[in-house]
Amino acid sequence: GESVGLHLPTLSVQEGDNSIINCAYSNSASDYFIWYKQESGKGPQFIIDIRSNMDKRQGQRVTVLLNKTVKHLSLQIAATQPGDSAVYFCAENKGEAQKLVFGQGTRLTINP
Amino acid sequence: ETGVTQSPTHLIKTRGQQVTLRCSSQSGHNTVSWYQQALGQGPQFIFQYYREEENGRGNFPPRFSGLQFPNYSSELNVNALELDDSALYLCASSSVLDTQYFGPGTRLTVL
Repeated sequence: GESVGLHLPTLSVQEGDNSIINCAYSNSASDYFIWYKQESGKGPQFIIDIRSNMDKRQGQRVTVLLNKTVKHLSLQIAATQPGDSAVYFCAENKGEAQKLVFGQGTRLTINP
Repeated sequence: ETGVTQSPTHLIKTRGQQVTLRCSSQSGHNTVSWYQQALGQGPQFIFQYYREEENGRGNFPPRFSGLQFPNYSSELNVNALELDDSALYLCASSSVLDTQYFGPGTRLTVL
């Protein structure tokens, strides 16, 4: 079946440290992957995406890595800030009809 | 902010009633997707509309239906509400085959 799962439901890091959030997927035919951030009471906010023909993509303070061999992707957040506290979802884009398949999410907490 | 708006923000209904949720897409986007997010879970794809037609559907019963209008705004209708329909309903707009941007959601409570 299709699924996008996350290794850890919660992650706590010190302010200023780097955070790494991991995600496993099962469908090797996926087109591309997206990371969303969801703060309490809000809709998911796009962070960064990566297509299946890429291994790495960088944004502002964020980097996404895709390892197709082991069907794994990760989101790295550099120098985490209190505003980074949220639930982070990876989502797999199913291509046709752009159906997004989300994982359960990882709650990132930043400690002062 | 994404430019995607949803109304109402919150809604309380009783079991068996019908509900209509509304979504205005971001300027320049012609595709709207709807998702259901239960508490503590990731969003689940309901269906997508492109050029006023349904363009893909998730594992939801027919009592979940939708519309897309010429201005690309959209409605989600749910008939015969059940307690398990209580959730945050999200719409996302996009250009075809492009990134989906989400609205703030409508929190539906079914009593």
